[in-house]
Amino acid sequence: QLQLQESGPGLVKPSETLSLTCNVSGGSIRNSIYYWGWIRQPPGKGLEWIGTIYFNGSTCYNPSLKSRVTISVDTSKNQFSLKLSSVTAADTALYYCARLYSSNSQNFDYWGQGTLVTVSS
Amino acid sequence: DIQMTQSPSSLSASVGDRVTMTCQASQDIRKYLNWYQQKPGKAPKLLIYDASNLETGVPSRFSGSGSGTDFTFTISSLQPEDIATYYCQQYDDLYTFGQGTKLEIK
Repeated sequence: QLQLQESGPGLVKPSETLSLTCNVSGGSIRNSIYYWGWIRQPPGKGLEWIGTIYFNGSTCYNPSLKSRVTISVDTSKNQFSLKLSSVTAADTALYYCARLYSSNSQNFDYWGQGTLVTVSS
Repeated sequence: DIQMTQSPSSLSASVGDRVTMTCQASQDIRKYLNWYQQKPGKAPKLLIYDASNLETGVPSRFSGSGSGTDFTFTISSLQPEDIATYYCQQYDDLYTFGQGTKLEIK
């Protein structure tokens, strides 16, 4: 059974860089029909797609966050990571990593449990 | 960018009721629409993909329809465990979620 687990600091200071890692177990991140993504949810609000990455390092970002986001992949560790720079209180959210099935359809079919990141001094 | 608008924002219904909610895209997204269920404190769960296809293991009381800009999600007979917020998501151009419909038991 595929499992995704987010990890990283729960508290980040304003103007600093948020860094999270998603560890994938029970399946290979190299599987060609999947991309891997980050989605966030501010407290009490809806879902916002941040970006996705393929195992070869190809990325796609939300235009509204593109200038501040970097997603990378480490196939040797079966994990991928998120960096979001110059954070503000508006970046406080529950951050999810998820698998994006991408073959004859596209959907986020497996999700991590989420990790809360608070931006505060 | 494509905007997704869900209505209503909240909905109250009784066990056994037929429940319907809608999702409207700001432009034609063909059939490229998914529905997710998010229970309190949990990650979203995929229910319907490509507007009308039931994900494996999802009860048949859930269904979806539509294409183009207008989509509908239906629960044929509401069960207590269906209390959740439901989100639509398009993938015709990048990925955008609707703001959600919160479903409560009357």
